[in-house]
Amino acid sequence: EVQLVQSGAEVKKPGESLKISCKGSGYSFTSYWIGWVRQMPGKGLEWMGIIYPGDSDTRYSPSFQGQVTISADKSISTAYLQWSSLKASDTAMYYCARRGVRDGYNQYYFDYWGQGTLVTVSS
Amino acid sequence: QSALTQPASVSGSPGQSITISCTGTSSDVGGYNYVSWYQQHPGKAPKLMIYDVSNRPSGVSNRFSGSKSGNTASLTISGLQAEDEADYYCSSYTSSSPWVFGGGTKLTVL
Repeated sequence: EVQLVQSGAEVKKPGESLKISCKGSGYSFTSYWIGWVRQMPGKGLEWMGIIYPGDSDTRYSPSFQGQVTISADKSISTAYLQWSSLKASDTAMYYCARRGVRDGYNQYYFDYWGQGTLVTVSS
Repeated sequence: QSALTQPASVSGSPGQSITISCTGTSSDVGGYNYVSWYQQHPGKAPKLMIYDVSNRPSGVSNRFSGSKSGNTASLTISGLQAEDEADYYCSSYTSSSPWVFGGGTKLTVL
């Protein structure tokens, strides 16, 4: 069974750093891109970026470039999303999701999602 | 990249059919057959319902169907059930940034 299990909720102060995780299981972690999606309170989904754990190739949405860092450790089948200096506006639910693959080709949809990590930034 | 445009809300009675629209441009919805739809119940993660405009993943009810005409994609749910009440998001490949989502539509089953 494919599973993406994310780390638990975090409460941080502005200016603090944070790294949240997403552990994949039930499939070949290095063969599928993992994306990160933000959902601010009461708002819609926003694609942040994506990483290929096999070689750590990473792409960012222009809206999030320079604001966050996406990484992966394939030895433990885990992807990460990190901030060096959090802002109150980073308060949101963050989801990781696996990019679909069909017939060996990468697809433009996300077929499995993590349960989400709630990040709250408040002084 | 601007979000795709969806109606904020739609509603229908059990057994009825509803359609949710998703309007983009020729750089996203209209230019590629890479539209997907996600269902999100309150407090839950999104779930893939439709991919590549009209394909259903294994396990998704055939009451859900997708289509596209020009720059507008549509999700139709037939035989509405109480469990269909949720938020629905469209997504498309876009030439400027691989993924863009719609603003979401809240479906209420009356």
